[in-house]
Amino acid sequence: SQQGEEDPQALSIQEGENATMNCSYKTSINNLQWYRQNSGRGLVHLILIRSNEREKHSGRLRVTLDTSKKSSSLLITASRAADTASYFCATDAGGAGGTSYGKLTFGQGTILTVHP
Amino acid sequence: KAGVTQTPRYLIKTRGQQVTLSCSPISGHRSVSWYQQTPGQGLQFLFEYFSETQRNKGNFPGRFSGRQFSNSRSEMNVSTLELGDSALYLCASSSVAGNTIYFGEGSWLTVV
Repeated sequence: SQQGEEDPQALSIQEGENATMNCSYKTSINNLQWYRQNSGRGLVHLILIRSNEREKHSGRLRVTLDTSKKSSSLLITASRAADTASYFCATDAGGAGGTSYGKLTFGQGTILTVHP
Repeated sequence: KAGVTQTPRYLIKTRGQQVTLSCSPISGHRSVSWYQQTPGQGLQFLFEYFSETQRNKGNFPGRFSGRQFSNSRSEMNVSTLELGDSALYLCASSSVAGNTIYFGEGSWLTVV
């Protein structure tokens, strides 16, 4: 079963606009990671945010985490056509020893289309 | 530093056959995990290996198995293939628990 729910399922914007994707999850986590996937390709890691962090930045990406609401958001600023892809959040829910040993639980993803 | 490498990238198998997929993790990474991605079920965790030991396993039938070698390279095997096993199989590696998990390009398996 999927831990995360992502919203929206699909997002269509123009180049230069900002894109915001949201992710909700059900259990407590050690960390949450965001990935991008271009059609038919592997997952590209974007950002990891730990449960004791509230916000992280990487270039045009900004990720927030609200553990009280069990939610995260990914903001892509000044989007480009090359940002067109599926975006996934994935949670490491922890376990014995404080980690789930490589098990990430993924949401269904948000399909982002950026029009030139 | 080379990323996670998976071979083969594409393969077609017949129902009832078996298949072996290979994964070379990022140099220095000892944890290797495997995922299956399908349009219907999304991304699902198969299993994870560390120092040749399986530490975690997802909810897949026993037809799905894996192993890890002393150099951290990993293989997964699917026996008695079914049409529903058609999927993108992704391998991932990480250095230590709780750190960033990096994925390979995947192996596309089509079962006919």
